Amino acid sequence: EDQVTQSPEALRLQEGESSSLNCSYTVSGLRGLFWYRQDPGKGPEFLFTLYSAGEEKEKERLKATLTKKESFLHITAPKPEDSATYLCAPCYYQKVTFGTGTKLQVIP
Amino acid sequence: EPEVTQTPSHQVTQMGQEVILRCVPISNHLYFYWYRQILGQKVEFLVSFYNNEISEKSEIFDDQFSVERPDGSNFTLKIRSTKLEDSAMYFCASRKTKNTGELFFGEGSRLTVL
Repeated sequence: EDQVTQSPEALRLQEGESSSLNCSYTVSGLRGLFWYRQDPGKGPEFLFTLYSAGEEKEKERLKATLTKKESFLHITAPKPEDSATYLCAPCYYQKVTFGTGTKLQVIP
Repeated sequence: EPEVTQTPSHQVTQMGQEVILRCVPISNHLYFYWYRQILGQKVEFLVSFYNNEISEKSEIFDDQFSVERPDGSNFTLKIRSTKLEDSAMYFCASRKTKNTGELFFGEGSRLTVL
């Protein structure tokens, strides 16, 4: 069975304090890995797609990287508006399986 | 910017009643999904749909659930006889390509079963 584990479950940062979120997966035949952001009561909002080990993508204060067994979402100098739950989702053909998420809180 | 729309945003129903949740996917997308999220829990895959048939479903998607694309624009999820444990946020998503490309999600339909 596909397993997707995200850590930490929750993370509290001071504004400007950089950190990394981890996503470990055991999906066989990975076709890609997505990162999403989810605000309370809202649908997941797409951030990045990574397709192969060694690939990196950046968007504002976020950078996503991928290895063969895990992905990292690096947050540089976060702001309060970055507070959200960050979800990773490995993709095996049509099936996209979400991890449990990391709830990020950035304190001003 | 094109978006996935879902109705209703919130539905309250009695246990045992039938519920239909509706979604309008992005117009040039071909692959459609339903996910659910119980309060405080992870986003769980229910079903994927392509070319008017189910392409994959999870163990959650039992005989009480069905999906349909009744016309060229709507994609529906029906729960035949709701249970208390069906209370959750249900998200519809659509995707342009089969094996790659991101899913675009709607804002969700919150189902409360009393």
